[in-house]
Amino acid sequence: DAGVIQSPRHEVTEMGQEVTLRCKPISGHDYLFWYRQTMMRGLELLIYFNNNVPIDDSGMPEDRFSAKMPNASFSTLKIQPSEPRDSAVYFCASSPRGGSSYNEQFFGPGTRLTVL
Amino acid sequence: KQEVTQIPAALSVPEGENLVLNCSFTDSAIYNLQWFRQDPGKGLTSLLLIQSSQREQTSGRLNASLDKSSGRSTLYIAASQPGDSATYLCAVRLGGQNFVFGPGTRLSVLP
Repeated sequence: DAGVIQSPRHEVTEMGQEVTLRCKPISGHDYLFWYRQTMMRGLELLIYFNNNVPIDDSGMPEDRFSAKMPNASFSTLKIQPSEPRDSAVYFCASSPRGGSSYNEQFFGPGTRLTVL
Repeated sequence: KQEVTQIPAALSVPEGENLVLNCSFTDSAIYNLQWFRQDPGKGLTSLLLIQSSQREQTSGRLNASLDKSSGRSTLYIAASQPGDSATYLCAVRLGGQNFVFGPGTRLSVLP
């Protein structure tokens, strides 16, 4: 398996623009997570899905952030409009429901977002 | 609110030394604890996962222990190598699938 795939790897945009981050989880994993990592706040859970259904979005900072998972192999995190304080590395992770790796999280390489 | 801390924040050791990284959490009602390493500019790589019913897990030169009652976990690295240089993070799973991460320990192993 190729692991968790994220795109783009780097994104530079101007304040006010819409940003869409993409994630393809590991095939067969039931859970998908979106995290944000900054120097000041460390790694924070934004939202997670179970079988494509959003379960907990309490970590989403504002209404400017939205996430979708239209099918088991694809998820997006959208920021509209973007602001400089959204600059961070955004990670997607997935984990299986059962098996020997039950609840073990596997991370993608991340998207480094810079909002000017 | 669950808080996770890691001590030390940074550590520098000569190659070959055995070392211990510490992770503490305030609420013992966790489902599991996972250790990761993160290389600069990269994602997180899972090292070890300890379920709440387990006391330790081992993988190669790595050994992680869990003491839920005291809210502590340690990651033991034997015979450290320069390739072990990275930031090590621990994360605890709360109810549902909520995970709380520690701030990490930045490890440098000098040749």
